[in-house]
Amino acid sequence: DQQVKQNSPSLSVQEGRISILNCDYTNSMFDYFLWYKKYPAEGPTFLISISSIKDKNEDGRFTVFLNKSAKHLSLHIVPSQPGDSAVYFCAASAMNRDDKIIFGKGTRLHILP
Amino acid sequence: EPEVTQTPSHQVTQMGQEVILRCVPISNHLYFYWYRQILGQKVEFLVSFYNNEISEKSEIFDDQFSVERPDGSNFTLKIRSTKLEDSAMYFCASSSRDGNTEAFFGQGTRLTVV
Repeated sequence: DQQVKQNSPSLSVQEGRISILNCDYTNSMFDYFLWYKKYPAEGPTFLISISSIKDKNEDGRFTVFLNKSAKHLSLHIVPSQPGDSAVYFCAASAMNRDDKIIFGKGTRLHILP
Repeated sequence: EPEVTQTPSHQVTQMGQEVILRCVPISNHLYFYWYRQILGQKVEFLVSFYNNEISEKSEIFDDQFSVERPDGSNFTLKIRSTKLEDSAMYFCASSSRDGNTEAFFGQGTRLTVV
């Protein structure tokens, strides 16, 4: 039973364009959402997060949007750069219950020259 | 910048042997976690640890697994009798409790059971 779903296993985007990575969740107890980036042979690196009281959080080229009614969030990267090529994991946590983070399966992003 | 460190980076062991994976979390963090990722699959939660005891564990974390914080700095994952299906990347993570719930991950230990 997947509580955090990333339905696109891979995505290719031209350098300079916008990358949009999508994520859906099923557990309505989740109130904190995170995106992690992972390069091969490395651990996941925290990228950006959003609390359920917000619908948008922006940090430089990265913006996360949260649609609670649709149980959907997305990560926008603009403009996309070659170094953005990695696997991106969507993750969620129920802060009020515990700090366990549940991960999606990940989306591999390829930035094309 | 503080970081979570894991040793060894790669461990090869024979089926049935015991392995201990070691982690040094970030020093002022209070919550500690182990996750694993089998090749080609998702990152899976194994166990969380707080105040010197397990706070939550997944179905994967059966009696073959144990965790310990022996000296206040290290956080270890022990697998008593390894199976082939235990082959995976094991990630340690830690987080603080000041409203900042993002966990910081180590580089991982690749466990290969042969």
